[in-house]
Formats: sequence, C-alpha cells, structure tokens
Amino acid sequence: QLQLQESGPGLVKPSETLSLTCTVSGGSISSSSYYWGWIRQPPGKGLEWIGSIYYSGSTYYNSSLKSRVTISVDMSRNQFSLKLSSVTAADTAVYYCARHRGGFDYWGQGTLVTVSS
Amino acid sequence: EIVMTQSPATLSVSPGERATLSCRASQSVSSNLAWYQQKPGQAPRLLIYGAITRATGIPARFSGSGSGTEFTLTISSLQSEDFAVYYCQQYNNWPPKLTFGGGTKVEIK
Repeated sequence: QLQLQESGPGLVKPSETLSLTCTVSGGSISSSSYYWGWIRQPPGKGLEWIGSIYYSGSTYYNSSLKSRVTISVDMSRNQFSLKLSSVTAADTAVYYCARHRGGFDYWGQGTLVTVSS
Repeated sequence: EIVMTQSPATLSVSPGERATLSCRASQSVSSNLAWYQQKPGQAPRLLIYGAITRATGIPARFSGSGSGTEFTLTISSLQSEDFAVYYCQQYNNWPPKLTFGGGTKVEIK
C-alpha cells in the first residue's frame, strides 16, 4: 500500500523559505505515468494546487505561485520536496503531498505550516 | 485558466435522502474531472475520476455524471459518514495546469 508522509518545520518566519519533504513508501517515485504534487489548504478554506513533478525532473507550477515555488525529486531517497520562498501569513496552510495522473489518488496526512514571527 | 465553480456552497440533507452536487467549468474539460470527499482533519479522498469512474473502494451510492462544462456528483442515499466537504478538480489541460473547485459542504438537515 502506497503511503506518503510530509515532514518539515511547522513554523516559518515571514520572508523566509518554507521547506517540506514528502517521503513515499510502498512504491517507487520513479513509477511511469504518475506525477507527484503539492496541494495546500488554508484554515477553513479550499484546496489549492501548488505544483507537481515527474520522476524525470519535469516540473509544473501554479502560475499564481510560480515565482516563489521550487519542487525537486530525490529518487535515491524516494522523496520529493517543496520550497516556497518569501512567505507571508497568507501562506499559512495545511500542506499535502499526493500522487496523481489526473486525479490525486494517494495523499499524505498533511502538515500544518504557520507563518508567524 | 479554467475556473471551477461548485454549487451550492452548502447542502442540507437528511440521512437516507439523495444529494446532488454541481460543478461547472468555465470552458470545456471534456471528461477530465475528479471528485473528492474531505472530512474534518483528514486529507481529501478520491471518489470519482474521468467524470464517471468510481475510484477503488468507493461505494456504489456515489456516482458522477456530465462532460464538457457541467458535472454532477450524486450520493443516492446519504449515510452518516457522507457528511463532509466535496471538491471537484479538472485536469483537462494537464500538464501543466489543473484546478480545484471551491467545495460544497454537505451537512445534516
């Protein structure tokens, strides 16, 4: 059974860079046809796709966040990572990692990241 | 960018009744649409993909219909565990773009 687990700091200061890692177990991140994505959800609000990566390293980002987002993959560790720079309070959210082709079929449990000084 | 609009924002339904949720796309997404269920404190769960295909393990009371710009998620007889927030998501122009709708909360009447 495929499992995804987010990890990283739960508190980030304004203007700094948010960094999260998603560890995939029970399957290989290099599986063809699947993408690995990040989605976030501000408290009490809806879902926002941040971006995704293919095992080859091809990346795709939400245009509204593109200037601040970097997603990378480490196949040796079966992990992929998110960096979001210059964060503000508006970036406070639960961050999920997930696998997808079109729909997202496997999700991590999510991790709350709060942006505050 | 394709905008996904869900209605209503909140749907009040009695257990055992049918629930009908709508999702509209600002331009055609063909059948490239998924539905998710999210309960408080949990990650979303994939219910439907390809507009009509139930994901693995999803009960038959959940059904999806539609194509193009108009989609519907129907829950034929609401169970207590079905009260949750439901999201649609289009992936017609994936890669590089995909978008979620704003969600419909199904609450107990």
